[in-house]
Order: sequence, then C-alpha cells, then structure tokens
Amino acid sequence: EAQVTQNPRYLITVTGKKLTVTCSQNMNHEYMSWYRQDPGLGLRQIYYSMNVEVTDKGDVPEGYKVSRKEKRNFPLILESPSPNQTSLYFCASSQWDRGSEQYFGPGTRLTVT
Amino acid sequence: AQSVTQPDIHITVSEGASLELRCNYSYGATPYLFWYVQSPGQGLQLLLKYFSGDTLVQGIKGFEAEFKRSQSSFNLRKPSVHWSDAAEYFCAVGAQGGSEKLVFGKGTKLTVNP
Repeated sequence: EAQVTQNPRYLITVTGKKLTVTCSQNMNHEYMSWYRQDPGLGLRQIYYSMNVEVTDKGDVPEGYKVSRKEKRNFPLILESPSPNQTSLYFCASSQWDRGSEQYFGPGTRLTVT
Repeated sequence: AQSVTQPDIHITVSEGASLELRCNYSYGATPYLFWYVQSPGQGLQLLLKYFSGDTLVQGIKGFEAEFKRSQSSFNLRKPSVHWSDAAEYFCAVGAQGGSEKLVFGKGTKLTVNP
C-alpha cells in the first residue's frame, strides 16, 4: 500500500530535550516536505527536499533541522524544543513534476512543556 | 508570493443541502490549485486539483470546483452534503514548476446537521 508513515504519532516532551520525528514514504517520491498545523493558521511549510541531499527552508524553519540521506526518509529534528513548537506536524511526499498531488502522513501531535 | 484566503472559518449545513466553500488566491501567473480534506484525527486527502483546461473540475466524493480567473477564485461545491462530509477543508495554491511551494489557506471547518 502506498503510504507516508510518521513516528511517533503522539509525543510529550520537555523544553530542551532533543527529539526526532521520522517520516518515510514507499512511493519512490523525489519531493518531501514537513508542515506544521496550528489552529487558525492552517498548514505552514517548515522544510522541504527535492531529492537526496537537497533540502531548503519553507516559511517557518526556525528551530528545526532536516536531513535527506535516503530517498524514502525525511526526519524532522528539534534540537532544543520549546513550548511554541507544540503543534501537529505533517510529512508529505510527491513526485517531482508539475502540480503533483502531495500525499500526507497521519500526523504527529507534539506537546512541549 | 502566492497566498490563499478562505473567508469562512466555520460553516454549518444540513444533511442533503448544497455546499459551497470559498477560496480566493493571489498569484501572478496561472496557479496550480488544490482542495484537500482533513477528517478528524486524520491526515490530508486530495479532493481535486486544477492546472489548466476546463475550469470546472470534478473530484472524489462528489465534489467539484470551478476556477474563475477574473475573480481569482476556486470555490468548492457539492450538490448534496452527507454527514460523512463533516471535516476541515483546505484550499492550496502551488507555484509553477512543481510542488515545492504549496501554500495553504487557513481552512474551513464544515459541520453537518442531521
């Protein structure tokens, strides 16, 4: 089954404790992206990657890091999480051509206390 | 830079009634336009998309949307709403050349009354 998986689905952590949210897709997609969703703000792009070793900032990259060492994986790293990073995070992937549909993972709900 | 406005934060309709969700975009060239649906506790699913050609596009679950360049709009419609359509709906615009810049509206939450 074609899908995007994220782990963990739920995470409660404390300020400053490094964490990684994993994202994996099995569709051989070139493009992957991370979004955060906050009430009243919709989805905002954090980082994206157009292929292995190619990443770039989205609209809200501060406080986040990403890496793309393999085509299927695109982890999101919070080196020192803060309460304002409490949010619902979505990973997405798509083929690299005009207007391809982005496939979304189920989301990771992160709470930073 | 492109932007999307969904003027209605929350809409309530009765089951069986027609539905129209509004979306206005701002983009200098011909946009790529999408409607996604997010059911409670779920990720986002694509309903339909527009790139070019026929301005009325059909999607899944009986939804359609019409692109109106003169009004910079891409409104989503459904003739008869079902209780299972209760969800949050997001309009998004993508830049030419691919999906590296997909900008979402803030969403419209749809409640369906029995």
